[in-house]
Amino acid sequence: GAGVSQSPRYKVAKRGQDVALRCDPISGHVSLFWYQQALGQGPEFLTYFQNEAQLDKSGLPSDRFFAERPEGSVSTLKIQRTQQEDSAVYLCASSLQTSGGEETQYFGPGTRLLVL
Amino acid sequence: AQKITQTQPGMFVQEKEAVTLDCTYDTSDPSYGLFWYKQPSSGEMIFLIYQGSYDQQNATEGRYSLNFQKARKSANLVISASQLGDSAMYFCAMREGRVGNTPLVFGKGTRLSVIA
Repeated sequence: GAGVSQSPRYKVAKRGQDVALRCDPISGHVSLFWYQQALGQGPEFLTYFQNEAQLDKSGLPSDRFFAERPEGSVSTLKIQRTQQEDSAVYLCASSLQTSGGEETQYFGPGTRLLVL
Repeated sequence: AQKITQTQPGMFVQEKEAVTLDCTYDTSDPSYGLFWYKQPSSGEMIFLIYQGSYDQQNATEGRYSLNFQKARKSANLVISASQLGDSAMYFCAMREGRVGNTPLVFGKGTRLSVIA
């Protein structure tokens, strides 16, 4: 079956520009996570959705970052007035969320954002 | 404090040999899960193996096995019969709590290079 897809794969933005990154999770997956991966580092948590509800946004670095998942499937991460420090790979992951168990998160290929 | 520590920035292994990638973790939650992911140069995070904190036996998935030593809080990944295609970044990650709606915390990763 189809995995997690993300678009665009690459985005170059001028400083101050707004960007929107899209994530299509695996069909039927309840949970959706966004992570930010700086160069040479492991991914760091940004925000989490359960269906359409954003239950945790504690990792969003500033109020310039906004995420939504209005119908509980596709999610969009929006960054307003991009800054150079926003340059990173943005990873989306989804999981089925059963009542317990391993809850593996499956990742998309990421969007590589470069802010000039 | 670091929740996931990967002390080997880079490792080399001869093709067909086995290699162990180290991971130690820190948590006070009795329920947690430990994951290993592979990230090739193309960028996607590929799930390899999972170990739950209550699992009695070490997890195995094909050529991957997890050497889980709970008292030492270590979860080392063992790759047997290394192949050239195993060259990639490897990340250890932990999810705390029994329910699956908590984010993964990643280590900084280990770059594995397989030599012919």
